[in-house]
Amino acid sequence: GENVEQHPSTLSVQEGDSAVIKCTYSDSASNYFPWYKQELGKRPQLIIDIRSNVGEKKDQRIAVTLNKTAKHFSLHITETQPEDSAVYFCAAQPTGNQFYFGTGTSLTVIP
Amino acid sequence: GAGVSQSPRYKVAKRGQDVALRCDPISGHVSLFWYQQALGQGPEFLTYFQNEAQLDKSGLPSDRFFAERPEGSVSTLKIQRTQQEDSAVYLCASSFNRFEQYFGPGTRLTVT
Repeated sequence: GENVEQHPSTLSVQEGDSAVIKCTYSDSASNYFPWYKQELGKRPQLIIDIRSNVGEKKDQRIAVTLNKTAKHFSLHITETQPEDSAVYFCAAQPTGNQFYFGTGTSLTVIP
Repeated sequence: GAGVSQSPRYKVAKRGQDVALRCDPISGHVSLFWYQQALGQGPEFLTYFQNEAQLDKSGLPSDRFFAERPEGSVSTLKIQRTQQEDSAVYLCASSFNRFEQYFGPGTRLTVT
């Protein structure tokens, strides 16, 4: 089955700096890549996603890039704010319906 | 509109007891998923329904785990003879298509 690896596991940045989280996947059939933000004790929330027919997608301060050849995708958060502090999960979806999640990145934005 | 809801939010069970966890998906969402999330880990797939049909149950860890969605909306995940290793957060997600999945708040199960 699909294997998703996520790095780094923890990330601290100063407020206003950028944060980048990277994921790799193993199944070349994967064609949908969502990113979720999970605050402590809360539900995972979908923040951005990308399908395999595009290389980049942006929504305000958040962007995702996808390199299908290298089988990796990344989340970019610019002008970070303290409320961006949370655990972020990447996921990949092969031809079935289930998501395969990474192990998460705990992001801390220092005011 | 209302999001995905789950109940109970917290459940403490003694080892060997049976538990039932409920999920109310977003109205109109045909797809429903159950995931298990261990502490500090990403969610892991358990099972998937399209309407009332359980199309994939490959992630259920043992035959003690059973899920149903008899009328194509509310779903119940049942765990029989709970074990300590079943302690986790159980997340339900629903989707209108096979892509965007919206999660509920989860049920935190603690088996003592």
